[in-house]
Amino acid sequence: DGGITQSPKYLFRKEGQNVTLSCEQNLNHDAMYWYRQDPGQGLRLIYYSQIVNDFQKGDIAEGYSVSREKKESFPLTVTSAQKNPTAFYLCASRRTLNEQFFGPGTRLTVL
Amino acid sequence: AQSVTQPDIHITVSEGASLELRCNYSYGATPYLFWYVQSPGQGLQLLLKYFSGDTLVQGIKGFEAEFKRSQSSFNLRKPSVHWSDAAEYFCAVGLDSSYKLIFGSGTRLLVRP
Repeated sequence: DGGITQSPKYLFRKEGQNVTLSCEQNLNHDAMYWYRQDPGQGLRLIYYSQIVNDFQKGDIAEGYSVSREKKESFPLTVTSAQKNPTAFYLCASRRTLNEQFFGPGTRLTVL
Repeated sequence: AQSVTQPDIHITVSEGASLELRCNYSYGATPYLFWYVQSPGQGLQLLLKYFSGDTLVQGIKGFEAEFKRSQSSFNLRKPSVHWSDAAEYFCAVGLDSSYKLIFGSGTRLLVRP
């Protein structure tokens, strides 16, 4: 079955640590996205990539970094510069006409 | 500025009652329109989409939505709500000229037995 996988489902980070969230898709989609979700605030775009080896900042990119070395993979690193990283992170890929498919999400908690 | 508004943060309906969730957008042109549903701790699932043509679109799980250009609205409806419909619902819009989707802040649906 085609889809998007995210790992891990739950992630705990200590203050000052960098952590990397995995996102993989086998839908053969060119574009991929990372969103952050906080209670009552909907989804906010962190980064997106339209094609391999290219990515753009979204609305809240500070404290995050990404790479896109393969079409199937779009990992997100939450750096120590992100002051309030506790949130639910969603990865998505785009088919056509802006239709996006979402992974199951990763919940990151700072200890 | 481009925006999507879901004016109802919470809605509570009785099981078997009808449902309408509101969505308004602010764009210069007709956008692509989507409704997504999210169960707690899960990702978003696409319920339905509007690109062009018939303004009444049917989706999964018995949902439908109607695009009204004059009102810049894309309201989601269901004639009879089931307890399993309790979730958070997000309206989203996109433009052909952009790869981005703009999401509303969501409406949480509670279903009374």
